[in-house]
Amino acid sequence: AQSVAQPEDQVNVAEGNPLTVKCTYSVSGNPYLFWYVQYPNRGLQFLLKYITGDNLVKGSYGFEAEFNKSQTSFHLKKPSALVSDSALYFCAVREIWDAGKSTFGDGTTLTVKP
Amino acid sequence: NAGVTQTPKFRVLKTGQSMTLLCAQDMNHEYMYWYRQDPGMGLRLIHYSVGEGTTAKGEVPDGYNVSRLKKQNFLLGLESAAPSQTSVYFCASKAGALEQFFGPGTRLTVL
Repeated sequence: AQSVAQPEDQVNVAEGNPLTVKCTYSVSGNPYLFWYVQYPNRGLQFLLKYITGDNLVKGSYGFEAEFNKSQTSFHLKKPSALVSDSALYFCAVREIWDAGKSTFGDGTTLTVKP
Repeated sequence: NAGVTQTPKFRVLKTGQSMTLLCAQDMNHEYMYWYRQDPGMGLRLIHYSVGEGTTAKGEVPDGYNVSRLKKQNFLLGLESAAPSQTSVYFCASKAGALEQFFGPGTRLTVL
């Protein structure tokens, strides 16, 4: 069975500082990993994904994430946070052989203060 | 392209009433999903479909039924609504190994 953990319910950072939102996963084989963002009263929007290849993945709005197989982690990062980055962030995982289902984490609320 | 659309956006039901939520996508995606989102519980998969005419149970299927008669539509039905089904419902679709595209959500309240 696959699972995802986002160990922090809330992350607070000051504008201009780097941010990290943590994600760890568990799968029996090789994973596909995703990050999504949700703004208030909106659906989820795709940020970035790891399928294969380079462990550092770059995505939308200046976000990036690093796949670490030994630590089974896929942390989301941004070098310089903006107030407009404040939102709810979800990590998701699925087995590469199971095209049907992804499992989502419980989400991390990011608040960037001016 | 409209992407993924959901109808209705809001609905209030009384306990025991029935309703159908409609999800439509215009991206020719094979896979479609229904999730519910509750505070502190993230997204939970209700049912999903890997192609026209097929459906499968997700993590929390009880009390819900689905149908995928046309590739572009995925319907979620509540036969007898209960207060525990008060939630925000999201539909999503995807093609193959790629990311999911989400609709704007339906906010359902069951009194």
